[in-house]
Amino acid sequence: AQSVAQPEDQVNVAEGNPLTVKCTYSVSGNPYLFWYVQYPNRGLQFLLKYITGDNLVKGSYGFEAEFNKSQTSFHLKKPSALVSDSALYFCAVRDFQAGTALIFGKGTTLSVSS
Amino acid sequence: KAGVTQTPRYLIKTRGQQVTLSCSPISGHRSVSWYQQTPGQGLQFLFEYFSETQRNKGNFPGRFSGRQFSNSRSEMNVSTLELGDSALYLCASSSKQGAQGEKLFFGSGTQLSVL
Repeated sequence: AQSVAQPEDQVNVAEGNPLTVKCTYSVSGNPYLFWYVQYPNRGLQFLLKYITGDNLVKGSYGFEAEFNKSQTSFHLKKPSALVSDSALYFCAVRDFQAGTALIFGKGTTLSVSS
Repeated sequence: KAGVTQTPRYLIKTRGQQVTLSCSPISGHRSVSWYQQTPGQGLQFLFEYFSETQRNKGNFPGRFSGRQFSNSRSEMNVSTLELGDSALYLCASSSKQGAQGEKLFFGSGTQLSVL
């Protein structure tokens, strides 16, 4: 069965420092991986996806993610964090047996302090 | 282009009642999916509709049902509400069904509280 794990419930960084939000996955076959962000009282917003190609994927708001097949990871990164990046981040993998359904990780709360 | 619209934004119901939630997808999108979000279980897939047909269903009891209309708008119904049904219900639309790389566009959700 496909699954995705986010090992950290919360990540704290200072503004201007680089940030990493971790994600590992388990799939049979090639993974289709996504990152979404959720701000308070809002739905999820798409950040980026990896389908195939370059292992470094660039997305919205300066975020990027690195696909690592050997470590089955898809960590989200940003070179310089902003206070406005504080939100709940979800990693997701496509469930090939369920149409466009996504299997989400539990989410990681990112807190950026000024 | 307007985003995904969910109504109502908040609902308070009592155990045993039933509830209907509505979702209007982005214009031109024909696929609508529903997710339940709770602090304990996170985000869980409920079902997906495409062209008025349910294409996929998650692991939820039969009390959870839905439908899609010819204009792609979708409704989700929960009958005989239980306390554990309290959650944020999110609707998402996409332009293609089964497109593996397709991103989803989410609405702001309906927060359901069951008392």
